Amino acid sequence: GQSLEQPSEVTAVEGAIVQINCTYQTSGFYGLSWYQQHDGGAPTFLSYNALDGLEETGRFSSFLSRSDSYGYLLLQELQMKDSASYFCAVRPVSGSARQLTFGSGTQLTVLP
Amino acid sequence: NAGVTQTPKFQVLKTGQSMTLQCAQDMNHEYMSWYRQDPGMGLRLIHYSVGAGITDQGEVPNGYNVSRSTTEDFPLRLLSAAPSQTSVYFCASSYDRGETMDTQYFGPGTRLTVL
Repeated sequence: GQSLEQPSEVTAVEGAIVQINCTYQTSGFYGLSWYQQHDGGAPTFLSYNALDGLEETGRFSSFLSRSDSYGYLLLQELQMKDSASYFCAVRPVSGSARQLTFGSGTQLTVLP
Repeated sequence: NAGVTQTPKFQVLKTGQSMTLQCAQDMNHEYMSWYRQDPGMGLRLIHYSVGAGITDQGEVPNGYNVSRSTTEDFPLRLLSAAPSQTSVYFCASSYDRGETMDTQYFGPGTRLTVL
């Protein structure tokens, strides 16, 4: 089966850098995705790591290490609008390979 | 493009009532899915479809039915609502090809309360 663990809450100040970790226990998956959700609104796709290493998209970067069963989302130059919930997700190789499994999410609060 | 649309935005039901949550997308996506989101539990997959006439169960399918008669529409039916189905429901879609499946586009959600 699949299990993804994230910290429930993270707090940081405006302009700072914050890292949101995602550790997983899964028999195999295609890649690690990250989604952002503001105040119960629609989740929106942020980034995807198919291979180990760092992927950068503007202020956001995402990292994956399959050997360590670990990934993270890095947010730089934090802004107030980054206050949101962040979810990691994987699509397992087993079964139909069409089921995306999400972590329980990390609530990021950015303070002025 | 409107993307993924869902109706209604809010709904209150009494135990035992039935209803259909509507979902439509205009991106010609093959893959469509329904999730429920409960506090502290992230998004859990209810049912999904990879094309018209093809549906399959996700992690939490009990109490829900789906059908897919067109590429655009993927309704979710609650046949006999229960308080345990109080949740926020999200519909999502994507292409059904390799890594594109990991980029899901979500609708705005339906907030359902069952009394």
